[in-house]
Amino acid sequence: AQSVSQHNHHVILSEAASLELGCNYSYGGTVNLFWYVQYPGQHLQLLLKYFSGDPLVKGIKGFEAEFIKSKFSFNLRKPSVQWSDTAEYFCAVNAAFLRNTGKLIFGQGTTLQVKP
Amino acid sequence: SQTIHQWPATLVQPVGSPLSLECTVEGTSNPNLYWYRQAAGRGLQLLFYSVGIGQISSEVPQNLSASRPQDRQFILSSKKLLLSDSGFYLCAWSAWGGGAQETQYFGPGTRLLVL
Repeated sequence: AQSVSQHNHHVILSEAASLELGCNYSYGGTVNLFWYVQYPGQHLQLLLKYFSGDPLVKGIKGFEAEFIKSKFSFNLRKPSVQWSDTAEYFCAVNAAFLRNTGKLIFGQGTTLQVKP
Repeated sequence: SQTIHQWPATLVQPVGSPLSLECTVEGTSNPNLYWYRQAAGRGLQLLFYSVGIGQISSEVPQNLSASRPQDRQFILSSKKLLLSDSGFYLCAWSAWGGGAQETQYFGPGTRLLVL
């Protein structure tokens, strides 16, 4: 069965530090990959997504993620974090065979705390 | 534009009582609909999804059920709540027919506490 693993459960950084959150998935076929973010008190919202093409994907608020097929990874990065990036981040995967269901498999989430 | 509503926002229920959580979507037709449960440190677990009225697929065996009586209405129910049903329940929608490439959009969630 598909699974998604986020290795960092809780990350604490100071402002201006660089961020990298790991995400690995287990499915060997064609995948679509997502990062979602949940800011305190807000809806879960899409940060960025990868379907095909350039494996380096840019999202909102300066975030980017790189799809490395050989490593089954889709790590999220930001060169310089801000206090407002404090949130919970979820990696999600959808496999092509799921077709019209659009089902997503989520990782367990990473809580990012940015200290001012 | 599309919006998704969930209610109630918070619910405290005794063990053994029934449950009904409602989700409605506006501004789109024939969406795919999803119920997730979010538990601390465990991410989002897909509970049910629906690709059309009356079509419900269950992802995990449990004490809960789902129904889709109307195109843009998705209901999560239980006849008798268990303590383990406590959690944060999220409803989401995606456009039908887009397959795996459609983004899911999430509602504000319902926090359920079973005592």
